[in-house]
Amino acid sequence: TQLLEQSPQFLSIQEGENLTVYCNSSSVFSSLQWYRQEPGEGPVLLVTVVTGGEVKKLKRLTFQFGDARKDSSLHITAAQPGDTGLYLCAGEPGHFGNEKLTFGTGTRLTIIP
Amino acid sequence: DTGVSQDPRHKITKRGQNVTFRCDPISEHNRLYWYRQTLGQGPEFLTYFQNEAQLEKSRLLSDRFSAERPKGSFSTLEIQHTEQGDSAMYLCASSLEQRNINEQFFGPGTRLTVL
Repeated sequence: TQLLEQSPQFLSIQEGENLTVYCNSSSVFSSLQWYRQEPGEGPVLLVTVVTGGEVKKLKRLTFQFGDARKDSSLHITAAQPGDTGLYLCAGEPGHFGNEKLTFGTGTRLTIIP
Repeated sequence: DTGVSQDPRHKITKRGQNVTFRCDPISEHNRLYWYRQTLGQGPEFLTYFQNEAQLEKSRLLSDRFSAERPKGSFSTLEIQHTEQGDSAMYLCASSLEQRNINEQFFGPGTRLTVL
């Protein structure tokens, strides 16, 4: 059983469109992080959310942590080809964390010029 | 020091051979992690160190795997008697111990292919 479920698994959209990807769990997480990974490279940290209901913005990317700290979403506005990549959510299960990160299976995003 | 580095980036070996990978973390980070990632999956935790102490090992880390961080700086991951199932991307990450937040920064990974 996957602790963190990401949806959709694959998403292919035209440049300029908006999109939202989701990260869901039945477990509480003390914090949750979003990474972007390109082929053959390690994941690059985009953002960390800690407080339930927290919203963080990174240029055209908006990240939200669910009120109950069990889920998160990533919204991209006016997607660009440079947004193409594998988006991974990862978190520390439990109210106080436990050092190691549990990763979702990822959403593979392709932006078509 | 601009980030986590790993060496080599790619390793091709024959089944039964031993391989060793190196990870150099961000210099002020006291925590170092090893993960394994197979195609189509997210990274899976293998083990982590706080300074030189290895504090947790996953059940994924069989007896053929050993990791060290002798001086609390760089770390090595050795796989003995490699098997085809060991083929994967091995990722290293480091973090600075902070209350409530565990922001881990990853290296570029070592891609292992066992023939």
